[in-house]
Amino acid sequence: AQSVTQLDSQVPVFEEAPVELRCNYSSSVSVYLFWYVQYPNQGLQLLLKYLSGSTLVKGINGFEAEFNKSQTSFHLRKPSVHISDTAEYFCAVSGGRGYQKVTFGTGTKLQVIP
Amino acid sequence: DGGITQSPKYLFRKEGQNVTLSCEQNLNHDAMYWYRQDPGQGLRLIYYSQIVNDFQKGDIAEGYSVSREKKESFPLTVTSAQKNPTAFYLCASSMGRNNEKLFFGSGTQLSVL
Repeated sequence: AQSVTQLDSQVPVFEEAPVELRCNYSSSVSVYLFWYVQYPNQGLQLLLKYLSGSTLVKGINGFEAEFNKSQTSFHLRKPSVHISDTAEYFCAVSGGRGYQKVTFGTGTKLQVIP
Repeated sequence: DGGITQSPKYLFRKEGQNVTLSCEQNLNHDAMYWYRQDPGQGLRLIYYSQIVNDFQKGDIAEGYSVSREKKESFPLTVTSAQKNPTAFYLCASSMGRNNEKLFFGSGTQLSVL
């Protein structure tokens, strides 16, 4: 079984400040890890993914995440946020190669304050 | 433009009524999925299909049914057995077996009258 925990349901941050959105996962096998972003009343789009290799993954819109196997974490970071980053962010995990179900966390709403 | 189209954007259901949500993709993807999104609960998998004429139950399949008669289409029926159908429904697809990226539609908001 696999699961994802996003402890922060909401994160307010001032514009141009750095932000970190936390994600912890559990899985009995090797994993693929993802961050998706959802703007209001829309579907989700992929920000970045970790499949293998370098543990620091860079995505779109200046976001990056670091895979930490010992802490089973995949936190999302951005050094300077913009108003346009206001959205809900979902961490997700799947069990790796071959068809595996994708399990999503409960989401973190990032509110950027002008 | 390639993508996933969900319709309608808003849907209302009366008590005891079945309703069908449409999902069409022109990405030539083999796998398609239906997720339900409720505030504070993230996305929960209802059904998925890896290939035409085959589909599997997800975590919350009770009260829902699907079909996959064509590669590009994966409609979801919310039956009267689903007692709490009000939610935002998202359809997604992926290219292959490794599930490296899900492509999502823009969703359908279902409400009960």
